Amino acid sequence: EVQLLESGGGLVQPGGSLRLSCGASGFTFSRTAMTWVRQAPGKGLDWVSTISSTGGTTYYADSVKGRFTISRDNSKNTLYLQMNSLRVEDTAVYYCAKGQGSLDAFDVWGQGTVVTISS
Amino acid sequence: EIVMTQSPATLSVSAGERATLSCRASQSVDSDLAWYQQKPGQAPRLLIYGASTRAAGFPARFTGSGSGTEFTLTINSLQSEDFAVYYCHQYSNWPQTFGQGTKVEIK
Repeated sequence: EVQLLESGGGLVQPGGSLRLSCGASGFTFSRTAMTWVRQAPGKGLDWVSTISSTGGTTYYADSVKGRFTISRDNSKNTLYLQMNSLRVEDTAVYYCAKGQGSLDAFDVWGQGTVVTISS
Repeated sequence: EIVMTQSPATLSVSAGERATLSCRASQSVDSDLAWYQQKPGQAPRLLIYGASTRAAGFPARFTGSGSGTEFTLTINSLQSEDFAVYYCHQYSNWPQTFGQGTKVEIK
């Protein structure tokens, strides 16, 4: 069974940092581009970042560029999102998702991890 | 950035009736358009990709159509389990973008 499991969310003060992880199983992780999508409370879906299968190419939304870093460890089947200089508006459920390619529909989603930025 | 606009924001439909949801792109996305279903407290679930291909696990009453800038999701004979929020998503260009969602609620 294909599964994605996020972890690392929590409550952080503005300006703080957090690292999210997404463990993958049931598919060939090293051949699959991976993405982070977030959803603020009561709001819609917001693409955050995508990384190619090798990790050699990354893409970011303008709203997080320079603050967030996506990475992956194919030996551990794990995707990461390092979030620095966090803002109140980064408060959201963060989902990891997979597609067939970097630009593709997301056919599997994790259950999400909650990130709350508040003083 | 390609802006995806969904209409209506909320659709009130009785069980057994048809629901028609629209998604418009600010520029052509060819057929690189997906639809997702999201129920309260759950992650989104891929429903349609390539504008018209139904994902595994969804019944034939769900139909996607359109190309370029105009897309439609039709749900025939709505069942209780279909009441949810539906999002469109373009994956033609960076940045990938989502519509704001259409909530299908029980009338």
